Amino acid sequence: EIVLTQSPGTLSLSPGERATLSCRASQSVYSSYLAWYQQKPGQAPRVLIYAASSRATGIPDRFSGSGSGPDFTLTISRLEPEDFAVYYCQQYGSALWTFGQGTKVEIK
Amino acid sequence: QLQLQESGPGLVKPSETLSLTCTVSGGSISSSSYYWGWIRQSPGKGLEWIATIYYGGTTYYNPSLKSRVTISVDTSENQFSLRLRSLTAADTAVYYCARHLLPYYYFDYWGQGTLVTVSS
Repeated sequence: EIVLTQSPGTLSLSPGERATLSCRASQSVYSSYLAWYQQKPGQAPRVLIYAASSRATGIPDRFSGSGSGPDFTLTISRLEPEDFAVYYCQQYGSALWTFGQGTKVEIK
Repeated sequence: QLQLQESGPGLVKPSETLSLTCTVSGGSISSSSYYWGWIRQSPGKGLEWIATIYYGGTTYYNPSLKSRVTISVDTSENQFSLRLRSLTAADTAVYYCARHLLPYYYFDYWGQGTLVTVSS
């Protein structure tokens, strides 16, 4: 089973700043099978990025994904007030799906 | 617009079996383009994938839960279901149903989630 480790656990930033979130896999992940989600309190997660770098429908271009192999990154170029939330990476491999433990982006 | 709606009991006793159903509307569950899955989230914790099914009946399970879980599909009702046996307090969570978009396997549509509490 592939374990995803996200860092940092919490990111304290101000609106307008750049956020860089990391997701490291315990073994190589096929880029097509790496996704990022945003979750706000009381809501279901929402997909932001799939296939490591493709934005899902309706996602603003301030969200971008990159990476390959075991290391992936979600970047929010300029934080808007609605971007403060928890972010999860997720992978599929060998008929198993796993999530990272999440990174909370909070207002500084 | 595709919608997924979870239904089931909000309170279950320890050692009993949880049964949840996800009703899909606005689209067909019998499509070769999608899988259908269950994910849960314990209070204040992260997301845990439970199980996934294809409309043809192929199933996939989280190894840590496999001995207690059964996922099934009813194409005539456009629903899929989850059964989780031998419940403990550790199974208290919000349970989500979701659709996987092929060929990328990510979850593109989610239900709103249903809170299940395991308590006597």
